[in-house]
Amino acid sequence: ETGVTQSPTHLIKTRGQQVTLRCSSQSGHNTVSWYQQALGQGPQFIFQYYREEENGRGNFPPRFSGLQFPNYSSELNVNALELDDSALYLCASSMGQDPYEQYFGPGTRLTVT
Amino acid sequence: GESVGLHLPTLSVQEGDNSIINCAYSNSASDYFIWYKQESGKGPQFIIDIRSNMDKRQGQRVTVLLNKTVKHLSLQIAATQPGDSAVYFCAEIKAAGNKLTFGGGTRVLVKP
Repeated sequence: ETGVTQSPTHLIKTRGQQVTLRCSSQSGHNTVSWYQQALGQGPQFIFQYYREEENGRGNFPPRFSGLQFPNYSSELNVNALELDDSALYLCASSMGQDPYEQYFGPGTRLTVT
Repeated sequence: GESVGLHLPTLSVQEGDNSIINCAYSNSASDYFIWYKQESGKGPQFIIDIRSNMDKRQGQRVTVLLNKTVKHLSLQIAATQPGDSAVYFCAEIKAAGNKLTFGGGTRVLVKP
């Protein structure tokens, strides 16, 4: 069984730029949730994608957007990057919309300068 | 590897001793709670869960206690080992919700 993978592992961007982060869900999972983890804090829910549709969103501005593809992999896009966007971005996959059994990837560390 | 958190509360424990990690939650509508372990450079890893209709659940070397009266959750690790060194987060799920809400985390350092 293939686990959750994310790419890239590290990324450095400049304020105002745009970034795309990628997540491949665990085999058999059809739901991907994205979380932002600032240094020293717990992960915060950004949004969830279930069967290619956004299915719930946390308190993040519209410049955070996403996609889910027919193979259930997902992208997180962030436009107009701000310094406070520097964080570890985690994706978690699960079977169905329930968050009870979410499996996390290793994350992408984004640094905005 | 990646540092998960530089300014987290830290629990230092001697190898072989028991560890107790505490978490306060705020949402009385939460009906499901999970403890996660996060090692440097990795995503959170499921440890144990408990539903709100229970007050205790045991796993292998771990026990979770839930006190709904004071909205308090604890994780007990028996015979702590060096591999238990990590950051531990509690997370809650509201009834019919689809997201995890994480607490602030505690770093556990196991001294040999």
